[in-house]
Amino acid sequence: AQTVTQSQPEMSVQEAETVTLSCTYDTSESDYYLFWYKQPPSRQMILVIRQEAYKQQNATENRFSVNFQKAAKSFSLKISDSQLGDAAMYFCAYRSANFGNEKLTFGTGTRLTIIP
Amino acid sequence: GAVVSQHPSRVICKSGTSVKIECRSLDFQATTMFWYRQFPKQSLMLMATSNEGSKATYEQGVEKDKFLINHASLTLSTLTVTSAHPEDSSFYICSATRDRHSYNSPLHFGNGTRLTVT
Repeated sequence: AQTVTQSQPEMSVQEAETVTLSCTYDTSESDYYLFWYKQPPSRQMILVIRQEAYKQQNATENRFSVNFQKAAKSFSLKISDSQLGDAAMYFCAYRSANFGNEKLTFGTGTRLTIIP
Repeated sequence: GAVVSQHPSRVICKSGTSVKIECRSLDFQATTMFWYRQFPKQSLMLMATSNEGSKATYEQGVEKDKFLINHASLTLSTLTVTSAHPEDSSFYICSATRDRHSYNSPLHFGNGTRLTVT
């Protein structure tokens, strides 16, 4: 079974600064997908960014980028130019590419606080 | 706007009663819906996967007789918590996708339901 670990329960960053959230995972599969989701106080899960394991190039979405290290099984999220609206719980998630096993396994989350 | 609607957003019920939570896909046909449970300050734990027209697949440790899932149409799945107890109090979230086998088929989440059993 796959596991996802987020070792930082809480993080804070000054507005406009950059912050990196850590995520590691454990799997014996070679093909899979990784995601970062954001859960603001409204509790709505919002997809931030995703990465295919077979791609070496790190995914980027505007101010959000990842550092995907497949050999190390690490998938960190970097938020640049942090904004007040970025305050939320951030969950790292793993999804198998195996047919019939496409469920998401989530990490325990990191609560991000933005300091004005 | 929201593409997955979950109702109710909050519900309080007495011990021993049953509660039904609905998850609707508003503008697409959801062949698969997932039901999650989230304890305070914890992660989302997958409870079950439901495919339209077939029985739900439950995760290990989830009581299928207690958490009844029905996915009778391509736009609606329901989770019924039967004979609810205070320990069932939690936040329940559904998600839906058009094609679970396709990485490019987005997974849309509902806004969740806060269940409190007194």
